Amino acid sequence: GAVVSQHPSWVICKSGTSVKIECRSLDFQATTMFWYRQFPKQSLMLMATSNEGSKATYEQGVEKDKFLINHASLTLSTLTVTSAHPEDSSFYICSAQLVDTQYFGPGTRLTVL
Amino acid sequence: GIQVEQSPPDLILQEGANSTLRCNFSDSVNNLQWFHQNPWGQLINLFYIPSGTKQNGRLSATTVATERYSLLYISSSQTTDSGVYFCAVGENRDDKIIFGKGTRLHILP
Repeated sequence: GAVVSQHPSWVICKSGTSVKIECRSLDFQATTMFWYRQFPKQSLMLMATSNEGSKATYEQGVEKDKFLINHASLTLSTLTVTSAHPEDSSFYICSAQLVDTQYFGPGTRLTVL
Repeated sequence: GIQVEQSPPDLILQEGANSTLRCNFSDSVNNLQWFHQNPWGQLINLFYIPSGTKQNGRLSATTVATERYSLLYISSSQTTDSGVYFCAVGENRDDKIIFGKGTRLHILP
């Protein structure tokens, strides 16, 4: 139980394009989901908290207009990286909250050329 | 905000050895989780342990909340235990968590 999926698992795009990443809780409902990014050999950095039916809460230093988050249902949250640039290349990971534990998706590796 | 420090940053052990990973945190927490990130990037839940002791097979964890630290014990290490072990803490039980920098464990066959 408590399985979280992400799609796509990897994406390569040209600079200036937008990329959407989906995060789904497959066997439970999640009022709250979280988005993280992780650079090579570094820790996970929280980007934003996504709450179903309301606006996301962004961490300090994260551009809300660049990283659009939508939590349209209790099983789906999306992260859209708008006008992506090479510095946005990273490993993006989502998690879904179930009671007191976060369950993580497998991650999406984004490469911007 | 809460600061999380993990030690050691790197650990190389022979298969069969035991290890202890430490997580120190700077303030009171109501949420503490241990994760293992495998070489493919997937984070695997190990323990939810804001206080007390838990065991799951070869792994066990202890959190001493009053002294603001948690320990993860791995016994009889196997090569599949390799990867990065993260401690993450939060002020509230069901809210965001902050990750430490992790301990990179490499088990040699």
